[in-house]
Amino acid sequence: DAGITQSPRYKITETGRQVTLMCHQTWSHSYMFWYRQDLGHGLRLIYYSAAADITDKGEVPDGYVVSRSKTENFPLTLESATRSQTSVYFCASSRDRDLDQPQHFGDGTRLSIL
Amino acid sequence: AQKITQTQPGMFVQEKEAVTLDCTYDTSDPSYGLFWYKQPSSGEMIFLIYQGSYDQQNATEGRYSLNFQKARKSANLVISASQLGDSAMYFCAMTSYNFNKFYFGSGTKLNVKP
Repeated sequence: DAGITQSPRYKITETGRQVTLMCHQTWSHSYMFWYRQDLGHGLRLIYYSAAADITDKGEVPDGYVVSRSKTENFPLTLESATRSQTSVYFCASSRDRDLDQPQHFGDGTRLSIL
Repeated sequence: AQKITQTQPGMFVQEKEAVTLDCTYDTSDPSYGLFWYKQPSSGEMIFLIYQGSYDQQNATEGRYSLNFQKARKSANLVISASQLGDSAMYFCAMTSYNFNKFYFGSGTKLNVKP
Protein backbone atom coordinates (compact mmCIF):
# COMPACT_ATOMS: atom_id res chain seq x y z
CA ASP A 1 0.00 0.00 0.00
CA ALA A 2 2.14 2.87 -1.31
CA GLY A 3 -0.39 5.59 -0.48
CA ILE A 4 0.63 9.06 -1.49
CA THR A 5 4.16 9.94 -2.49
CA GLN A 6 5.80 13.25 -3.18
CA SER A 7 8.98 13.92 -5.06
CA PRO A 8 11.50 15.29 -4.61
CA ARG A 9 11.72 15.39 -0.81
CA TYR A 10 14.16 18.28 -0.94
CA LYS A 11 14.81 20.82 -3.66
CA ILE A 12 17.04 23.87 -3.92
CA THR A 13 16.66 26.18 -6.87
CA GLU A 14 17.22 29.77 -7.88
CA THR A 15 14.79 32.62 -8.34
CA GLY A 16 13.26 32.74 -11.79
CA ARG A 17 13.60 29.02 -12.42
CA GLN A 18 10.67 26.76 -13.12
CA VAL A 19 10.24 23.89 -10.71
CA THR A 20 7.70 21.09 -10.59
CA LEU A 21 6.75 19.14 -7.51
CA MET A 22 5.25 15.74 -8.11
CA CYS A 23 2.46 13.99 -6.27
CA HIS A 24 1.23 10.46 -6.90
CA GLN A 25 -1.46 8.49 -5.06
CA THR A 26 -2.38 4.85 -5.41
CA TRP A 27 -5.81 4.91 -3.73
CA SER A 28 -7.76 6.26 -6.73
CA HIS A 29 -8.98 9.08 -4.52
CA SER A 30 -11.08 11.64 -6.33
CA TYR A 31 -9.81 14.70 -4.50
CA MET A 32 -6.25 15.96 -4.37
CA PHE A 33 -4.82 19.05 -2.74
CA TRP A 34 -1.66 21.10 -2.54
CA TYR A 35 -0.76 23.03 0.60
CA ARG A 36 2.17 25.09 1.68
CA GLN A 37 3.27 25.20 5.29
CA ASP A 38 5.01 28.25 6.71
CA LEU A 39 5.77 29.13 10.30
CA GLY A 40 2.85 30.89 11.92
CA HIS A 41 0.43 30.13 9.08
CA GLY A 42 -0.31 26.46 9.50
CA LEU A 43 -1.23 24.91 6.17
CA ARG A 44 -2.63 27.04 3.42
CA LEU A 45 -4.39 25.59 0.41
CA ILE A 46 -2.84 26.43 -2.95
CA TYR A 47 -4.96 24.40 -5.38
CA TYR A 48 -7.21 21.43 -5.29
CA SER A 49 -8.77 19.03 -7.75
CA ALA A 50 -12.06 17.17 -7.55
CA ALA A 51 -11.27 14.80 -10.42
CA ALA A 52 -9.10 14.48 -13.49
CA ASP A 53 -9.17 17.68 -15.54
CA ILE A 54 -10.98 19.59 -12.78
CA THR A 55 -8.92 22.00 -10.70
CA ASP A 56 -9.71 25.03 -8.60
CA LYS A 57 -7.88 27.72 -6.71
CA GLY A 58 -7.35 27.67 -3.00
CA GLU A 59 -6.31 30.42 -0.63
CA VAL A 60 -2.86 31.22 -2.10
CA PRO A 61 -2.76 30.24 -5.81
CA ASP A 62 -0.69 33.09 -7.25
CA GLY A 63 2.56 31.95 -8.83
CA TYR A 64 1.50 28.30 -9.03
CA VAL A 65 0.07 26.13 -11.78
CA VAL A 66 -1.45 22.67 -11.47
CA SER A 67 -2.73 20.02 -13.81
CA ARG A 68 -4.44 16.70 -13.39
CA SER A 69 -4.52 14.67 -16.56
CA LYS A 70 -4.68 11.40 -14.61
CA THR A 71 -6.52 10.67 -11.38
CA GLU A 72 -3.37 9.49 -9.61
CA ASN A 73 -1.09 12.43 -10.40
CA PHE A 74 -1.32 16.06 -9.37
CA PRO A 75 1.86 18.02 -10.15
CA LEU A 76 2.44 21.54 -8.86
CA THR A 77 4.56 23.93 -10.93
CA LEU A 78 6.17 27.15 -9.88
CA GLU A 79 6.57 28.87 -13.22
CA SER A 80 9.11 31.47 -12.07
CA ALA A 81 10.19 30.74 -8.51
CA THR A 82 10.51 33.56 -5.98
CA ARG A 83 12.10 33.56 -2.53
CA SER A 84 8.67 33.97 -0.94
CA GLN A 85 7.81 30.52 -2.28
CA THR A 86 10.41 28.90 -0.05
CA SER A 87 8.28 26.58 2.03
CA VAL A 88 7.32 23.01 2.80
CA TYR A 89 4.77 21.73 0.30
CA PHE A 90 2.30 19.00 1.11
CA CYS A 91 0.15 17.05 -1.25
CA ALA A 92 -2.97 15.37 0.12
CA SER A 93 -5.84 13.28 -1.15
CA SER A 94 -9.29 12.26 0.03
CA ARG A 95 -11.68 9.65 -1.28
CA ASP A 96 -14.64 11.94 -1.87
CA ARG A 97 -16.32 15.04 -0.50
CA ASP A 98 -18.13 13.34 2.35
CA LEU A 99 -17.57 15.27 5.55
CA ASP A 100 -16.08 12.33 7.43
CA GLN A 101 -13.32 11.77 4.90
CA PRO A 102 -9.94 12.83 6.24
CA GLN A 103 -7.24 14.05 3.96
CA HIS A 104 -4.21 11.81 3.71
CA PHE A 105 -0.91 13.57 3.32
CA GLY A 106 2.36 12.87 1.59
CA ASP A 107 5.60 13.37 3.46
CA GLY A 108 6.16 16.84 2.04
CA THR A 109 8.70 18.56 -0.19
CA ARG A 110 11.03 21.06 1.40
CA LEU A 111 11.70 23.71 -1.25
CA SER A 112 14.36 26.39 -0.89
CA ILE A 113 14.64 29.20 -3.41
CA LEU A 114 17.88 31.14 -3.34
CA ALA B 1 -15.95 32.53 5.86
CA GLN B 2 -14.50 29.51 7.57
CA LYS B 3 -11.93 29.96 10.26
CA ILE B 4 -10.03 27.82 12.73
CA THR B 5 -8.31 29.29 15.77
CA GLN B 6 -5.75 27.58 17.96
CA THR B 7 -4.75 29.99 20.70
CA GLN B 8 -1.97 27.94 22.30
CA PRO B 9 1.21 28.19 20.25
CA GLY B 10 3.05 25.92 22.69
CA MET B 11 2.25 23.74 25.66
CA PHE B 12 4.08 21.53 28.13
CA VAL B 13 2.69 18.47 29.86
CA GLN B 14 4.19 15.96 32.22
CA GLU B 15 4.44 12.42 30.99
CA LYS B 16 1.40 10.29 31.96
CA GLU B 17 -0.79 13.34 32.55
CA ALA B 18 -3.72 14.40 30.39
CA VAL B 19 -3.59 17.52 28.22
CA THR B 20 -6.21 19.54 26.35
CA LEU B 21 -5.39 21.37 23.13
CA ASP B 22 -7.86 24.11 22.29
CA CYS B 23 -9.57 24.69 18.96
CA THR B 24 -12.39 27.05 18.11
CA TYR B 25 -13.99 27.38 14.73
CA ASP B 26 -16.27 29.67 12.86
CA THR B 27 -18.68 28.59 10.17
CA SER B 28 -22.17 29.37 9.02
CA ASP B 29 -22.67 25.93 7.50
CA PRO B 30 -24.94 23.55 9.42
CA SER B 31 -22.93 20.53 8.25
CA TYR B 32 -19.22 20.38 8.86
CA GLY B 33 -16.46 18.08 9.97
CA LEU B 34 -13.67 18.68 12.43
CA PHE B 35 -10.33 16.91 12.36
CA TRP B 36 -7.13 16.78 14.35
CA TYR B 37 -3.75 16.01 12.85
CA LYS B 38 -0.40 15.35 14.47
CA GLN B 39 2.85 16.49 12.89
CA PRO B 40 5.95 15.04 14.57
CA SER B 41 9.38 16.56 14.02
CA SER B 42 9.88 14.22 11.06
CA GLY B 43 7.28 16.31 9.24
CA GLU B 44 4.51 13.96 8.16
CA MET B 45 0.87 14.78 8.86
CA ILE B 46 -0.96 12.03 10.74
CA PHE B 47 -4.75 11.96 10.98
CA LEU B 48 -5.88 11.43 14.58
CA ILE B 49 -9.60 11.91 15.04
CA TYR B 50 -12.79 13.15 13.40
CA GLN B 51 -15.98 14.75 14.74
CA GLY B 52 -19.05 15.46 12.65
CA SER B 53 -21.27 18.42 13.42
CA TYR B 54 -24.31 16.19 13.85
CA ASP B 55 -22.59 13.56 15.94
CA GLN B 56 -24.30 13.28 19.30
CA GLN B 57 -21.33 11.82 21.10
CA ASN B 58 -17.77 13.03 21.40
CA ALA B 59 -15.36 11.12 19.21
CA THR B 60 -12.73 8.88 20.79
CA GLU B 61 -9.76 7.05 19.29
CA GLY B 62 -7.62 5.27 21.83
CA ARG B 63 -5.96 7.92 24.01
CA TYR B 64 -7.42 10.72 21.91
CA SER B 65 -10.83 12.20 22.50
CA LEU B 66 -12.50 15.26 21.11
CA ASN B 67 -14.41 17.52 23.47
CA PHE B 68 -17.02 18.90 21.08
CA GLN B 69 -19.10 21.83 22.30
CA LYS B 70 -21.22 22.88 19.36
CA ALA B 71 -22.83 25.93 20.93
CA ARG B 72 -19.39 27.30 21.84
CA LYS B 73 -17.95 26.24 18.48
CA SER B 74 -15.08 24.47 20.12
CA ALA B 75 -13.47 21.13 19.34
CA ASN B 76 -10.72 20.56 21.85
CA LEU B 77 -8.42 17.57 21.62
CA VAL B 78 -7.80 15.68 24.83
CA ILE B 79 -4.81 13.36 25.05
CA SER B 80 -4.90 11.08 28.05
CA ALA B 81 -1.82 9.57 29.68
CA SER B 82 0.67 11.58 27.63
CA GLN B 83 3.70 9.80 26.25
CA LEU B 84 7.04 11.18 25.11
CA GLY B 85 6.09 10.26 21.57
CA ASP B 86 3.16 12.67 21.75
CA SER B 87 5.58 15.58 21.47
CA ALA B 88 4.63 17.16 18.15
CA MET B 89 2.67 19.91 16.45
CA TYR B 90 -1.07 19.43 16.51
CA PHE B 91 -3.39 20.97 13.95
CA CYS B 92 -7.11 21.38 14.11
CA ALA B 93 -8.91 21.45 10.76
CA MET B 94 -12.44 21.89 9.49
CA THR B 95 -14.31 21.14 6.33
CA SER B 96 -17.87 21.91 5.39
CA TYR B 97 -20.16 20.51 2.77
CA ASN B 98 -20.58 23.76 0.93
CA PHE B 99 -16.92 24.67 0.84
CA ASN B 100 -15.41 21.27 0.24
CA LYS B 101 -12.05 22.44 1.51
CA PHE B 102 -9.99 21.95 4.61
CA TYR B 103 -9.16 24.94 6.78
CA PHE B 104 -6.32 24.51 9.21
CA GLY B 105 -5.46 26.29 12.41
CA SER B 106 -1.94 27.56 13.02
CA GLY B 107 -1.11 24.64 15.29
CA THR B 108 -0.08 23.95 18.88
CA LYS B 109 3.35 22.59 19.70
CA LEU B 110 3.11 20.07 22.50
CA ASN B 111 6.14 19.08 24.54
CA VAL B 112 5.85 16.10 26.86
CA LYS B 113 8.33 16.19 29.73
CA PRO B 114 9.69 13.00 31.30
